[in-house]
Parts: sequence; C-alpha cells; structure tokens
Amino acid sequence: SAVISQKPSRDICQRGTSLTIQCQVDSQVTMMFWYRQQPGQSLTLIATANQGSEATYESGFVIDKFPISRPNLTFSTLTVSNMSPEDSSIYLCSVPPGQGSYGYTFGSGTRLTVV
Amino acid sequence: KQEVTQIPAALSVPEGENLVLNCSFTDSAIYNLQWFRQDPGKGLTSLLLIQSSQREQTSGRLNASLDKSSGRSTLYIAASQPGDSATYLCAGSGGDYKLSFGAGTTVTVRA
Repeated sequence: SAVISQKPSRDICQRGTSLTIQCQVDSQVTMMFWYRQQPGQSLTLIATANQGSEATYESGFVIDKFPISRPNLTFSTLTVSNMSPEDSSIYLCSVPPGQGSYGYTFGSGTRLTVV
Repeated sequence: KQEVTQIPAALSVPEGENLVLNCSFTDSAIYNLQWFRQDPGKGLTSLLLIQSSQREQTSGRLNASLDKSSGRSTLYIAASQPGDSATYLCAGSGGDYKLSFGAGTTVTVRA
C-alpha cells in the first residue's frame, strides 16, 4: 500500500488567514482525495484532486475557499482560505487502493484550530 | 451517492467477548466497502477492504462480510481486547472511489 506524508500535523491560525496543507505519496497515483472531519463528526469528502486537470469539488465546497493543486502524480496541496472558527477541523488526504493493496490509505491528518 | 449508517453508535463489552459492528448502505451497486479504525486524535487505519466481487475478508481476529442485496456489512472482532477500544468507521464507494462514511461505532473493551 501507498504511504502518505502529510504536513503540518496541526496548526493554530488566526481568522482571515490561509493555511496550505501538503500531502506527499511514495508512489504515483492518479487520484487523490481531500476529506474534512469536523469535531465529533465523521469524514466528508471535499474534493478529488486530479493531475493535469481542475479538482472536482463536492456539493457545499468551492474552489475559492479550498483551492487545490496537483502538480504531479505524487503531490497535492489543499489551502483553507480566509479561515473562520467554523473551519476548525481535521483535514485528511487519501489515495484509493492499488493493485493488491489492503485498502485506502490516509494521511495522518492536519488538526486545524482557527481562533 | 451512498448513504452509510452504523449502528450502534457506541458499544461497551467485557474483554474476551466477540464484537459485532453493523453497517448499512443504500446503493447495492457498491464498488468498495472499507472498514477503518480511528483512535482518539489520530488518523485512520485501514482494516479490511471488500471489493464488489467479494463476500468477505479476514485478517487475524477480524472478519468483515458484505451482502450487497441487503445493503449490509458486518465487522466481527473475535476475543476482544482493551487495545481494540477505538472508533470503527465503515465507508462505501462507487467506481469513482469516492468514500461515503458512516458516523462510526465507538467501542470500549473493559478489562
């Protein structure tokens, strides 16, 4: 299975600022996903990051708020823009299972607190 | 889009008892059904992946089944241990690999 390095692991940010989260995968993958886990809740898909094309956003999420880059097949970034306390969540990147893998791989998550 | 439900929301059992965690989903055309474990303040650990052509997967004390016709998956954990205490998440996807998550079952195994 793929291994994902995600950073930062946590951050405390001022409202109105932006934070960029990075995920590096140890192998080339076509699709990467970004999820959000709000306090006490389960995970919700934000968007699919596709190399060479625009990210595809789920209902309720927009590019201006969550711009995503995917410059190559091993790397992606998610930016949380113009943050408010409601953006305080854990953000995780993920790749789907490859051939013979045991399942989806997730990054270790970025715990964001907006004050 | 898949709607995934997990019941119960919480479960407490004495050590040694077998655990049965339930997951239901709405779309029988499910492509992947994945069980995860999440420890407090931590990320997700993949436990078992069942693909649409499979009916079950086993790993050590864990066994997961998939019944697409009834829209159900069950995770069995044999001979539970205090180290099994965690939140268990079920998630399903279609062929686009986008996961829809259940709310999770929080398990406490009492020593």
